[in-house]
Amino acid sequence: DTAVSQTPKYLVTQMGNDKSIKCEQNLGHDTMYWYKQDSKKFLKIMFSYNNKELIINETVPNRFSPKSPDKAHLNLHINSLELGDSAVYFCASSHINPSGETQYFGPGTRLLVL
Amino acid sequence: EDQVTQSPEALRLQEGESSSLNCSYTVSGLRGLFWYRQDPGKGPEFLFTLYSAGEEKEKERLKATLTKKESFLHITAPKPEDSATYLCAVQAGDNYGQNFVFGPGTRLSVLP
Repeated sequence: DTAVSQTPKYLVTQMGNDKSIKCEQNLGHDTMYWYKQDSKKFLKIMFSYNNKELIINETVPNRFSPKSPDKAHLNLHINSLELGDSAVYFCASSHINPSGETQYFGPGTRLLVL
Repeated sequence: EDQVTQSPEALRLQEGESSSLNCSYTVSGLRGLFWYRQDPGKGPEFLFTLYSAGEEKEKERLKATLTKKESFLHITAPKPEDSATYLCAVQAGDNYGQNFVFGPGTRLSVLP
């Protein structure tokens, strides 16, 4: 059973298009995240949602909008795609246990904008 | 601004050759320091969370330690399957779900 899943795995699209990436977690976690990993492999947090409320919204362009229909899903919608949006996007979820906070990442969505 | 650096950028070890990876951080209000392993084409896999200076955690051949300014990931007698990129991240702020800042990672190669 996949704990955090993302679709699609690969996404190739033209500049200017609008696309969405879906994320689902079956762990019952309250917090979900979206990260962007660029060509230099740096992971940068984009958004996090806790119980369907946006907690932090880093300085990402407003072309990116997270949407959470329920606690198990956090989708990422991107308008007017640009070449610089090409990257790997990771979804993650987290919970707190006696050992502390643990994050679980999805397999990533590889976005290529042409 | 919260910052995380990791060294070395890349490390090649012979199987059985123990070594350490470094993660240095500057952050206000550290809530936790995290270590992850990332294999090519996959998402990061959680290894450890450390919360206070002096804390240590172990898992198989890996041991993570934390001071007020840095963390070390010690790898004892590594095997080729330990080859991966090891990422360090810090979490800062007062509330659950606050910002995670990742370092650039250390690419570890363990040769048989």
